[in-house]
Amino acid sequence: QKEVEQDPGPLSVPEGAIVSLNCTYSNSAFQYFMWYRQYSRKGPELLMYTYSSGNKEDGRFTAQVDKSSKYISLFIRDSQPSDSATYLCAMSVGTYKYIFGTGTRLKVLA
Amino acid sequence: SQTIHQWPATLVQPVGSPLSLECTVEGTSNPNLYWYRQAAGRGLQLLFYSVGIGQISSEVPQNLSASRPQDRQFILSSKKLLLSDSGFYLCAWTSTGSTEAFFGQGTRLTVV
Repeated sequence: QKEVEQDPGPLSVPEGAIVSLNCTYSNSAFQYFMWYRQYSRKGPELLMYTYSSGNKEDGRFTAQVDKSSKYISLFIRDSQPSDSATYLCAMSVGTYKYIFGTGTRLKVLA
Repeated sequence: SQTIHQWPATLVQPVGSPLSLECTVEGTSNPNLYWYRQAAGRGLQLLFYSVGIGQISSEVPQNLSASRPQDRQFILSSKKLLLSDSGFYLCAWTSTGSTEAFFGQGTRLTVV
């Protein structure tokens, strides 16, 4: 079993839809959780960072962590074609070693 | 503000040739530095990380090595490239004690 599981997609949604992206993990020691957006042939860009269970909101993005279920989510409201990218979840126990999901490809159709 | 530079953006190298990829960070001191490789469908694999000059930790034994000759400079090297070294190489940094990692734009390496 992989430490972090993420559906590769692709996930296609119409413009304006609410998008839900998810990752599950097996290591209960993970404390820090991040979401990255990666456009084709570019480096990942940090979107959200959380370290506790619950929700964190930033503009159209909401990150949700449920440590009891070992499940994290990223919600994108009012999705735009410019949101089309691959979304990577990442988590770590401490400050050095991060475990990344394989990424979910999102396509927002105009 | 902090910025990270990584070059070259693309590289095509023959099997058996040497490799040197460079990464520099500006606007911060004593960053933690990382090299990752990203393969299609396999996510990001941590190759090396460094918490200071000359301090390198290797996560995966392989044909590659890393060096940190200066505080904000991180170099990925190989003496002889293999076909399996092809991939997208990413440099990243974090502040000491922070878990928020910031990535460079990557180098796409193709070994032919």
